[in-house]
Amino acid sequence: GAVVSQHPSRVICKSGTSVKIECRSLDFQATTMFWYRQFPKQSLMLMATSNEGSKATYEQGVEKDKFLINHASLTLSTLTVTSAHPEDSSFYICSATQGAGAELFFGEGSRLTVL
Amino acid sequence: AQSVSQHNHHVILSEAASLELGCNYSYGGTVNLFWYVQYPGQHLQLLLKYFSGDPLVKGIKGFEAEFIKSKFSFNLRKPSVQWSDTAEYFCAVKGSASKIIFGSGTRLSIRP
Repeated sequence: GAVVSQHPSRVICKSGTSVKIECRSLDFQATTMFWYRQFPKQSLMLMATSNEGSKATYEQGVEKDKFLINHASLTLSTLTVTSAHPEDSSFYICSATQGAGAELFFGEGSRLTVL
Repeated sequence: AQSVSQHNHHVILSEAASLELGCNYSYGGTVNLFWYVQYPGQHLQLLLKYFSGDPLVKGIKGFEAEFIKSKFSFNLRKPSVQWSDTAEYFCAVKGSASKIIFGSGTRLSIRP
């Protein structure tokens, strides 16, 4: 199947700093990318839907000014956690699809730890 | 709004036992349904999906699921589990808005 790669896989940062996580579709063009957050032993919570060239659509309760999403090309979306705090520590997972009805492929996830 | 419920949080079975994991969804329109698996230390993988047609869907590794529209259910089954099936299983639904919503997951532990 298609490959979605996230970078970095692990990041540790100090409280108050900003962290950028990249999500790349390696062998297909992703018209839509989704960002999820997964807490320990819990399910994936959808944070936002990102379409190439458009502003991201955020789910209710997700702060768009804190979690900045950019989908500038058909193979790259970035999630920036601004002014990170310990409660932002989590596992962030991106997924990508070529379009409606197409399969969704997941990245390996990025574990963020904010000290 | 669409939602997904998985009632079994943790299932423990012996090898060769049969498996059925429950999944119910809430959405009034046409849905696409999925089961994903997350093996320890690995990322999510698609087991099977239902878009339309035959409500009995066969996936990889001997898994199957049946879409019962009247019950809003999409239960996952496997006639004989193996130790390698130990993983977290997520049911997911996609409604008209293209976004996929996941259930809370079911942890499956297989005793060798």
